[in-house]
Amino acid sequence: QKEVEQDPGPLSVPEGAIVSLNCTYSNSAFQYFMWYRQYSRKGPELLMYTYSSGNKEDGRFTAQVDKSSKYISLFIRDSQPSDSATYLCAFTGNQFYFGTGTSLTVIP
Amino acid sequence: DGGITQSPKYLFRKEGQNVTLSCEQNLNHDAMYWYRQDPGQGLRLIYYSQIVNDFQKGDIAEGYSVSREKKESFPLTVTSAQKNPTAFYLCASSILENNEQFFGPGTRLTVL
Repeated sequence: QKEVEQDPGPLSVPEGAIVSLNCTYSNSAFQYFMWYRQYSRKGPELLMYTYSSGNKEDGRFTAQVDKSSKYISLFIRDSQPSDSATYLCAFTGNQFYFGTGTSLTVIP
Repeated sequence: DGGITQSPKYLFRKEGQNVTLSCEQNLNHDAMYWYRQDPGQGLRLIYYSQIVNDFQKGDIAEGYSVSREKKESFPLTVTSAQKNPTAFYLCASSILENNEQFFGPGTRLTVL
């Protein structure tokens, strides 16, 4: 079983839609949960960082963690064409793990 | 401005040559990392270093070498032993191992 599973997409939505990106994990030792955004041919940038179950909001972005189900989500409200990128989930406990990324395109 | 810089942005190598990719950070981070990114495969860890003069192999270290002589610098050498080096290489750093990582802009290496 893989440590981290992330649907690669691609995901295509119209501008203004609510986007839901998800990752599942198997390692109960994971303590910190992150989402990165990566534009084409650029380095990933940290979007959200959380360590507890529940929701964390930052503008149009909400990170949700459900430790009991080993499931994390990133919601993007009022999606914009500038949100078009690959989104990677990441986990750390005793080691750092990245998901393979979900490619998102927001169509104007 | 604090951050991580990588150079060059694009690099071309002939088969049989060694090349060195530069990574510098001014964030005062202790830990530094090198990843390789191929389409559809996510990030794969090559090497990481927690302190100066010490580093550990990651999942795909064969054909690569690193040094950590200064806290700010973590250069990666892609040797001729690396059979398929064409990829996007990313350097990252974190305050401590297993804290959130911050990435540089990447170097795209192409073997001619």
